[in-house]
Amino acid sequence: AQKITQTQPGMFVQEKEAVTLDCTYDTSDPSYGLFWYKQPSSGEMIFLIYQGSYDQQNATEGRYSLNFQKARKSANLVISASQLGDSAMYFCAMTAQAGTALIFGKGTTLSVSS
Amino acid sequence: DAGVIQSPRHEVTEMGQEVTLRCKPISGHNSLFWYRQTMMRGLELLIYFNNNVPIDDSGMPEDRFSAKMPNASFSTLKIQPSEPRDSAVYFCASSLGDRANQPQHFGDGTRLSIL
Repeated sequence: AQKITQTQPGMFVQEKEAVTLDCTYDTSDPSYGLFWYKQPSSGEMIFLIYQGSYDQQNATEGRYSLNFQKARKSANLVISASQLGDSAMYFCAMTAQAGTALIFGKGTTLSVSS
Repeated sequence: DAGVIQSPRHEVTEMGQEVTLRCKPISGHNSLFWYRQTMMRGLELLIYFNNNVPIDDSGMPEDRFSAKMPNASFSTLKIQPSEPRDSAVYFCASSLGDRANQPQHFGDGTRLSIL
């Protein structure tokens, strides 16, 4: 069975600092996808970044990058130069193959202060 | 481009009433998912469809829940009769199901309160 673990219930960072949100996963499937979503206090789910299990390079999208360590089964999200608007809940999720459901972690609440 | 559209955004009703949640996926997406979010259980899958066909409904709590997708542009999630423990945020999401790197795009959710 697949499982996502996010061990940090809350993280605190100051503006302009970088922050790493941890995510470990467990699966026996050789092919899988890893996703990060952001949920601000308004409640919507916003897709941030994707990493495929066979991708050789770590994914990057603007200020977001994914530190993918396959042997350790970790897919940490790195946010560079934090902004106040980054304050939100962040979910790590995975799927075994295209068109199947996402398995979510419990989430990490990020608070960015000025 | 229009995203996933859910209605209603908020629903407050009394226990025992029928509740119908609606979802319009992104045009061209062939996979549709219904998730439920609660404080206790987090985000969990209820059911998903590929090409309008239900594929996995193992997350549907019990017979009080049913979901349909009569065509590629519309899906409903129905709860009958509703109970207070059904109170949650219900999300609909859609994706291009034939490509692994395509994310699921979520609607804004329906916040359901059963009194």
